[in-house]
Amino acid sequence: GENVEQHPSTLSVQEGDSAVIKCTYSDSASNYFPWYKQELGKRPQLIIDIRSNVGEKKDQRIAVTLNKTAKHFSLHITETQPEDSAVYFCAASKSDYKLSFGAGTTVTVRA
Amino acid sequence: DAMVIQNPRYQVTQFGKPVTLSCSQTLNHNVMYWYQQKSSQAPKLLFHYYDKDFNNEADTPDNFQSRRPNTSFCFLDIRSPGLGDAAMYLCATSSGATGSENQYFGPGTRLTVL
Repeated sequence: GENVEQHPSTLSVQEGDSAVIKCTYSDSASNYFPWYKQELGKRPQLIIDIRSNVGEKKDQRIAVTLNKTAKHFSLHITETQPEDSAVYFCAASKSDYKLSFGAGTTVTVRA
Repeated sequence: DAMVIQNPRYQVTQFGKPVTLSCSQTLNHNVMYWYQQKSSQAPKLLFHYYDKDFNNEADTPDNFQSRRPNTSFCFLDIRSPGLGDAAMYLCATSSGATGSENQYFGPGTRLTVL
């Protein structure tokens, strides 16, 4: 099956700085890569996603890049704010209705 | 608002006492999922339905069963809960249009086993 690795497991950044989370996947058939944010005690919620026919996507302070050749994708958060503190999960899907999740990154934004 | 609803939000049961968790959706999505999530871990897929077609994950214990009587509702039955089954149980849905799309999660049911 698909194996998704996510790094780092924890990330502490100063407010206003950027945060970068990286994921790698193993199955070249994967074609959809969402990122979820999960605040403490709440549900995972999609923050951005990218499909395999696109190399980069941006939504305000959040961007995702995809390198299909290297099988890795990254989440970039610029100008971090305290409300960005949460656990972030990357995932990959290969048209089998399932998501393979990374282990998660706990992001702490220091005021 | 279209959404995924889970009841109850908190469930306490005794060791070995069967429990049922429920999920409903107003998104009219074809696919419904049940995940188990333990602290600081990623959601772990237990099973999913495409319409009425049931798909079990290979490592899902037999103790976990599911029913989907119609498009809107899906139930998770834990036949004999053990202490290790204490977790957050998340229901999710997806449209099923391509096999690769966003999943919409419910708020979860926090299960405590005494």
